[in-house]
This record gives sequence, structure tokens and C-alpha cells, in this order.
Amino acid sequence: EDQVTQSPEALRLQEGESSSLNCSYTVSGLRGLFWYRQDPGKGPEFLFTLYSAGEEKEKERLKATLTKKESFLHITAPKPEDSATYLCAVQGGNTPLVFGKGTRLSVIA
Amino acid sequence: SAVISQKPSRDICQRGTSLTIQCQVDSQVTMMFWYRQQPGQSLTLIATANQGSEATYESGFVIDKFPISRPNLTFSTLTVSNMSPEDSSIYLCSVARGGAQETQYFGPGTRLLVL
Repeated sequence: EDQVTQSPEALRLQEGESSSLNCSYTVSGLRGLFWYRQDPGKGPEFLFTLYSAGEEKEKERLKATLTKKESFLHITAPKPEDSATYLCAVQGGNTPLVFGKGTRLSVIA
Repeated sequence: SAVISQKPSRDICQRGTSLTIQCQVDSQVTMMFWYRQQPGQSLTLIATANQGSEATYESGFVIDKFPISRPNLTFSTLTVSNMSPEDSSIYLCSVARGGAQETQYFGPGTRLLVL
């Protein structure tokens, strides 16, 4: 059974304080790992798709990396507007997308 | 990406009643999905809405409780039937342009509270 575990559950950072969010997964035949951002009262917003170990993708202050067992979302010099819940999901074989519970990020000015 | 709208955005309903949620996409898509997001829990797939045929339900979800329609490639509805307080949740529609393993884009969600 595909599983996704995200840590920490919540993270509080000062503005400019870089950090990383972790997504550990077990999946049979990874087809893709997805990162989404979700603001309160809104649907998830797509950030990245990673397909194979060693792959990296960047967007503004965010960089996502992938190994065979986990993915990291690195946030460099975060701003208050980066505050949100970040969701990780995996797609394996012919199975549905499986989501983690998310990491709730708060960036304090 | 895709522009996805859902109606209603939120509702408060009495137990025993039913609510139909609509999902509209700005262009034709291959795949449409319905998810549930309960407080403190991860998103859970309810079913895949298939155009022109019956929806494909995940384990723990049944057609009598969550009937789904998909009359064309841009529109789908999810009905939550005979509601109980345990059905209080956020219901999300998502779409993928390619196959089921393509990137999914989500609508804004429908917040449902059942009293």
C-alpha cells in the first residue's frame, strides 16, 4: 500500500530563515511525486512534479528534490507570503494519487 | 493548468438531506476526480468521474452515498446523500488533461457542514 508521511506537522520560521520540509514515501513503482501549496479556505495549488531520484526543480524561493525514499522542499529566505500548508503526494503504478497530511508553515515577519 | 470552479463554495445542511456539488472546467479535460479533505486529514480520493459511463469508486465509498455524474468533458457533479455530521468536510474537484497519472489541478473546494 502506498504511503506518504510528511514532517514536521507544523513549522514556524522567522522571515529569511531557510529550512526544509520532508516527505517520506513508500510506493510500488513511482510514477511521480507532487508538491502542492494550500492556503486556508482554498484548493491545493500545484507546485512541482518529480519523476526520478536525483531530479530537482526550482520556483522562486522553493526547490524540490527527490531520492528513492523521500523528497525535500527547501525554502530559501522565506517571506510571510510563503505561509501555507504544503502537501506532498505520490502516484504509483495504476494506483490513485496518495497524499500526506501536509506541513503547516508559518513565516513570521 | 486549468481554471476550475465549484458551486456552492460552502453550505450548512441538515442531517438526512442531500447536497449536489458542481465542478466546471474552462476547457475539455480527460480526467475528473472528486476528493474529500477532513479536518487534520490528508486528501482522500472518493471517485474518478468517467465521461459517458459510471464513476469508479475507491474503497470505502459507494455510489448510493456519493452519486456522480459527468455529462461532458468540462462538467461533473457529486451528490452527498442522506447526510450525517460525519460528512462535514471539504469536497474538492480535480482535473488532469492527460491520463490518470498526469498532474492534477484542483478547484477551490466546497466546505460542507452538516448539523
